[in-house]
Amino acid sequence: DQQVKQNSPSLSVQEGRISILNCDYTNSMFDYFLWYKKYPAEGPTFLISISSIKDKNEDGRFTVFLNKSAKHLSLHIVPSQPGDSAVYFCAATTGGYQKVTFGTGTKLQVIP
Amino acid sequence: DSGVTQTPKHLITATGQRVTLRCSPRSGDLSVYWYQQSLDQGLQFLIHYYNGEERAKGNILERFSAQQFPDLHSELNLSSLELGDSALYFCASSPTSGGAMKQFFGPGTRLTVL
Repeated sequence: DQQVKQNSPSLSVQEGRISILNCDYTNSMFDYFLWYKKYPAEGPTFLISISSIKDKNEDGRFTVFLNKSAKHLSLHIVPSQPGDSAVYFCAATTGGYQKVTFGTGTKLQVIP
Repeated sequence: DSGVTQTPKHLITATGQRVTLRCSPRSGDLSVYWYQQSLDQGLQFLIHYYNGEERAKGNILERFSAQQFPDLHSELNLSSLELGDSALYFCASSPTSGGAMKQFFGPGTRLTVL
């Protein structure tokens, strides 16, 4: 049972354009969401997070949007840079709970 | 560098064998998480320890076990290995035990079972 889904395995975007990575979840108990970025041969690194009491969180070029009614969140990267090329994982958890559920990842390629 | 170390980086072994993966969390972090990433799969949560105590279990097989020692390092023991256990195993740490706390991941141990 894949409770967190990233339906696009890969995405290619031109440098300078917007990258939009999508994530859907099925568990309505999830109330905190995180995005991690992973380069080859490295562990994932935390990127940005959002609580379910918000619908938007921004950090520099990265913005996460949350649509609770649709159980959907998205990560926007503007402008995209070649260094953003990596695999992006969406993750979800319930407040105070210990388990974090990850999606399968989307491989982003930013073309110079 | 996340500050989380994992050894060994690579491990090649045969079916039926037993291996131990080691993780040292960031200085001061009390929580350690273990994840498995198989080919084309997301990170599957295995188990979480906080200050030596098991706090949560995910899809961890009975052949797998873990522990966190008084110095806070953790070991993941995999026994009776099968071909399907070949995967990347990540350890992550965080200062406290809340799932919402961002986690710092190690570089992973790549296990190959032949």
